[in-house]
Amino acid sequence: DGGITQSPKYLFRKEGQNVTLSCEQNLNHDAMYWYRQDPGQGLRLIYYSQIVNDFQKGDIAEGYSVSREKKESFPLTVTSAQKNPTAFYLCASSLTSTYEQYFGPGTRLTVT
Amino acid sequence: AQSVAQPEDQVNVAEGNPLTVKCTYSVSGNPYLFWYVQYPNRGLQFLLKYITGDNLVKGSYGFEAEFNKSQTSFHLKKPSALVSDSALYFCAVRDIKASGTYKYIFGTGTRLKVLA
Repeated sequence: DGGITQSPKYLFRKEGQNVTLSCEQNLNHDAMYWYRQDPGQGLRLIYYSQIVNDFQKGDIAEGYSVSREKKESFPLTVTSAQKNPTAFYLCASSLTSTYEQYFGPGTRLTVT
Repeated sequence: AQSVAQPEDQVNVAEGNPLTVKCTYSVSGNPYLFWYVQYPNRGLQFLLKYITGDNLVKGSYGFEAEFNKSQTSFHLKKPSALVSDSALYFCAVRDIKASGTYKYIFGTGTRLKVLA
């Protein structure tokens, strides 16, 4: 899982509550990404950021928010507006010059 | 639009036999292609990439992939499968926007099962 940490590994929340997932990297990578993984659907991009204080919506950004105040940190907030938040969330980072992504171990979020 | 397809949900192969996991792509411009592996409840691990150069790319754990421009394919291969290769495999392509930003598009994944 390289130099990317995600915490916690498992997270349980009640419906209607916002929750923030942590992602930190010490690889000095420029770009960071958040993906959602559901069974049989592969990875779907939520948000991505290539520089500090700038980020772009991915394919399924509705109900999520992010910030990129520091190069090494890219937290994801799952808001109460996200209709089906239970999923496995993966954070990744990459260096512009080498292209491949490095992934964190993931956070499994369960909302009941 | 850029896209990646993995036509097989699951591939079964006997231990010691060669394995192939298929990937086809659709991109405008030169493709930047990647393979990743995921073990249960873990993040993805990078295996190999094609950016330019030789069509046969070698990667981690004895895997290799063949880039075929005419068939728009990037199939993952290994000469002799191990039971420990059983995992979920993802093909991905880099999508560069006109603004200069880029993101990655992943296939739906292929589950490889190596039978002892």
